[in-house]
Amino acid sequence: AQKVTQAQTEISVVEKEDVTLDCVYETRDTTYYLFWYKQPPSGELVFLIRRNSFDEQNEISGRYSWNFQKSTSSFNFTITASQVVDSAVYFCALTCSYSGAGSYQLTFGKGTKLSVIP
Amino acid sequence: ETGVTQSPTHLIKTRGQQVTLRCSSQSGHNTVSWYQQALGQGPQFIFQYYREEENGRGNFPPRFSGLQFPNYSSELNVNALELDDSALYLCASSFMTSGNPGELFFGEGSRLTVL
Repeated sequence: AQKVTQAQTEISVVEKEDVTLDCVYETRDTTYYLFWYKQPPSGELVFLIRRNSFDEQNEISGRYSWNFQKSTSSFNFTITASQVVDSAVYFCALTCSYSGAGSYQLTFGKGTKLSVIP
Repeated sequence: ETGVTQSPTHLIKTRGQQVTLRCSSQSGHNTVSWYQQALGQGPQFIFQYYREEENGRGNFPPRFSGLQFPNYSSELNVNALELDDSALYLCASSFMTSGNPGELFFGEGSRLTVL
């Protein structure tokens, strides 16, 4: 069984502060993919990153960075110099290379609601 | 903008009725999946269609069914609606190959309220 835990339900930061969103996952598979999505109030899930289990390199994209550590089964997401537009619910998700007959079933965490205060 | 469009955006039904939700996938994508997101929760996988065949299903009863058409548009049908079916229904499309899920692009969802 797969599981994704986002222990932080809600976080509030003041604009320009750095913030880290935690994600811990469980899976028995050796090949899997991890994702982060942003969900603004409009409801659409905005893709941020996909990482496969064989690639433990950390990644930076502008103000966003991700720290993948297989040893602790964590895939944390940091926003540097946060902005009001970063306010949203952020979801971490996991899928294994195959779930069932070749389907990719994403297992989502419950999300972390980030509020950036001006 | 992801190129995935869903309709209707909002709808209200009463218990026992049936509903059809529609999704138009991003051009070139061969896979569509549907998720249910209850208020305050993460999305839950309903099922996935690949080349017009269902090839994966989550823990949802048979009254949740779907179709994928040759142009990769898709429908989600829910029969005998229950109050707990009230949720945001999200469609996601991707180009899936063996061993690689691709990037899943989601639509804005259809918010269903069952009274």
